[in-house]
Formats: sequence, structure tokens, C-alpha cells
Amino acid sequence: DAKTTQPPSMDCAEGRAANLPCNHSTISGNEYVYWYRQIHSQGPQYIIHGLKNNETNEMASLIITEDRKSSTLILPHATLRDTAVYYCIVRLSGNTGKLIFGQGTTLQVKP
Amino acid sequence: DAGVIQSPRHEVTEMGQEVTLRCKPISGHNSLFWYRQTMMRGLELLIYFNNNVPIDDSGMPEDRFSAKMPNASFSTLKIQPSEPRDSAVYFCASSFLSHMFTEAFFGQGTRLTVV
Repeated sequence: DAKTTQPPSMDCAEGRAANLPCNHSTISGNEYVYWYRQIHSQGPQYIIHGLKNNETNEMASLIITEDRKSSTLILPHATLRDTAVYYCIVRLSGNTGKLIFGQGTTLQVKP
Repeated sequence: DAGVIQSPRHEVTEMGQEVTLRCKPISGHNSLFWYRQTMMRGLELLIYFNNNVPIDDSGMPEDRFSAKMPNASFSTLKIQPSEPRDSAVYFCASSFLSHMFTEAFFGQGTRLTVV
């Protein structure tokens, strides 16, 4: 599975959009980009995933560059409850199912 | 479904004692994962099962750790003997593995303290 690089921490004002970047320059053509988050003291939670098209669900949007070497997770209107560690993971869909977590980005949403 | 259920939520034990962590995956899921989380090392995959069979245990730190999945609805992670450096939060996750998208659901974790 391809390696990902994320900034260790970011701040965002409540109500504003939070844009979390992820670099995955060694991604292969059939690898997906997954995002999970971990709110303090809880287990990680799935947010969204995509292959090459932009994706949106009720939680977030995922923008993947045309060359697929990077992506951005967008929380359109961040709330204090979005304060968490966000993990970007790249892997083959359906391939064993295992997730390898990096260090992630700690997002602090401030009032 | 109540989600992935782990027990106990908290465990404090003395060094040298045996510790058993338990996990009940989501009904119908065929894959189960054990993770360990510490400040220093982050989230580490210890072992995962598919259809109750251990597929990859390369993340298990040493022989003191063992995991079993006797049936589709139950798994244990055992540490014998426990050491202070085993102190961590242990998460269990389950998913339904297919050729399509696979989302993993995590339990609330067991916080283990070995003194």
C-alpha cells in the first residue's frame, strides 16, 4: 500500500471550511484514498473514500488531483465536534481490508 | 446492531499477570482486526482474521501476545505475561471483506494499564 504524508496539525475557525491535505505521490492506479478520523478516546471512524473522481457525502468532500498524487478532505462548516485526528490511508479496495494508519493530522477547531 | 463491542473498557493489572481482551464484531462481518495505540507509535495493526482464520499476525509484538477467533462472533487478544510497556489502548475492528469497498467499524477500545 502507498505511503501518505500529512501535516501534523492544523487549526480551523468554527463555521469555516477545514481543508486537510494529503500527499500520496506513489499511489498506483487501482489504489483508493480513504479518510478516517479519531475523536479523542474513541475508535477511528470512516469518513469518505475515492478513486479518482471527487466524492461528497453527508460528512465531507474529497478532492483528488488529476494525477492522483494528492488529495484534500474538506469539512465544509467545521464545528467544535470535528476536533479530531484525521487519517489519510491509501490501499487497494477489497484487498484484505486491513488499514495501515500513519500519524494523521490533528485538527483543532476553535470558537 | 450495537456495533463492535469490546470488553473490558478499562483494565489495570500487575506486571506478570495474564490479560485477556475481548471483542464481539458486527454480525455478518467476516474480517476482524486488532490494533494497539500508544502515543509513541500511534495506531498499529497487530493481527487480522478473515473468516475466523488468522491471515497476517506480523504486527504481533512477541510471543507473549496471542489472538484467537473461535467463531464469527467472538475474538480474544491475550497477553501472558503482561509488562508495563504493553500499556496502551487496544482496538478491535470488523468489516465485510468483498471485492468492493470495505469500511471498517471500530470498537470503543480497551485501555490497558500494566503496573
